Amino acid sequence: QQQVKQSPQSLIVQKGGISIINCAYENTAFDYFPWYQQFPGKGPALLIAIRPDVSEKKEGRFTISFNKSAKQFSLHIMDSQPGDSATYFCAASGTGGGNKLTFGTGTQLKVEL
Amino acid sequence: DTGVSQNPRHKITKRGQNVTFRCDPISEHNRLYWYRQTLGQGPEFLTYFQNEAQLEKSRLLSDRFSAERPKGSFSTLEIQRTEQGDSAMYLCASRGAGTGELFFGEGSRLTVL
Repeated sequence: QQQVKQSPQSLIVQKGGISIINCAYENTAFDYFPWYQQFPGKGPALLIAIRPDVSEKKEGRFTISFNKSAKQFSLHIMDSQPGDSATYFCAASGTGGGNKLTFGTGTQLKVEL
Repeated sequence: DTGVSQNPRHKITKRGQNVTFRCDPISEHNRLYWYRQTLGQGPEFLTYFQNEAQLEKSRLLSDRFSAERPKGSFSTLEIQRTEQGDSAMYLCASRGAGTGELFFGEGSRLTVL
């Protein structure tokens, strides 16, 4: 059972454009929603995270939008740059079960010049 | 200590052989997690430790897999009688008490011939 569904699978954006990646979750016990960025041959690195008590969190060019009633959250990358080209994973965890993260299947982002 | 360290980074082995991976977490992080990632997929949870206690194991962790964390510091993941289906990136991550952020190592890539 896939508890976190992510889309799209791949995304091509022009430099300076906005990249949007969406995730939906099923488990209402989830209370922590991070986004990870992964470059080839590297481990995932935390990009930004949100808890359900807020609907939006912004850090630099990266924004998470969170819709608790719809059980959806999204990552927006403003002014996308070629250096943002990577695979992005959404994830979720709850306070039970050791806060282990359940990951989405990933979005491969390519930012073209 | 700047991050989670994993060794070896790459391992090529023949089917039926045993392999062992080591993870050194960030100092004083009491929680340590093992994940497996196959090509084009998000990391999948395998097991986690709080200090030296192994508190949860995924059903993905067959009897051929064993993980230890003696003394609550480094951890090892051993795979016995490897199969081609074990080929994947094995990721280790650690987290401090009271924090949500999971820090990943760069992974150990296993290729079973």
